[in-house]
Amino acid sequence: SAVISQKPSRDICQRGTSLTIQCQVDSQVTMMFWYRQQPGQSLTLIATANQGSEATYESGFVIDKFPISRPNLTFSTLTVSNMSPEDSSIYLCSVESMGRGPQETQYFGPGTRLLVL
Amino acid sequence: AQTVTQSQPEMSVQEAETVTLSCTYDTSENNYYLFWYKQPPSRQMILVIRQEAYKQQNATENRFSVNFQKAAKSFSLKISDSQLGDTAMYFCAFMFIGGSQGNLIFGKGTKLSVKP
Repeated sequence: SAVISQKPSRDICQRGTSLTIQCQVDSQVTMMFWYRQQPGQSLTLIATANQGSEATYESGFVIDKFPISRPNLTFSTLTVSNMSPEDSSIYLCSVESMGRGPQETQYFGPGTRLLVL
Repeated sequence: AQTVTQSQPEMSVQEAETVTLSCTYDTSENNYYLFWYKQPPSRQMILVIRQEAYKQQNATENRFSVNFQKAAKSFSLKISDSQLGDTAMYFCAFMFIGGSQGNLIFGKGTKLSVKP
């Protein structure tokens, strides 16, 4: 079965710095997404990572703060820029259309736990 | 806007017993999917079960089944023969077909503890 991996699994960063999170899938997928899960909270969609074009951001999230790349059908990155303690969260990537199972179902990576001091 | 409500922040159940987690949602749309995801302490989100709104038959997946009441906008999850490995946060989620692609709307979650 397809596997989704994320790097790093966790990190501790200083405020004002940036961190790039990678999401790798071992098979081609049509849709990739990035979510944020703040401590003790549910998941909120940040953006849809579009292959070959700019990401589509949800309300409240902007490209300058969360630039996203998707150079091919198996890989995406999310950068958290100019971090503040409020950015401390788990960041999860998800993919759709894994080639098996029902369409329009999302499968999630293991998440990246970020702590900003 | 769609909303998903899970009214039980925490629940516990004895091993081998049955537990039901509740979920209600609010939408004016007719075509959508509903999901239950499980997030154990390892934080990996795992799909438990999915229901298409146009299907009247309740989805089942081994020990997991749903009670989907479309008119009442209710989507509860029943876990039978609970096991220690079922201990996790459970999130109910809604996806509108044809809307902002991929936008899963999650409830706040229910923390389930299975006790030996």
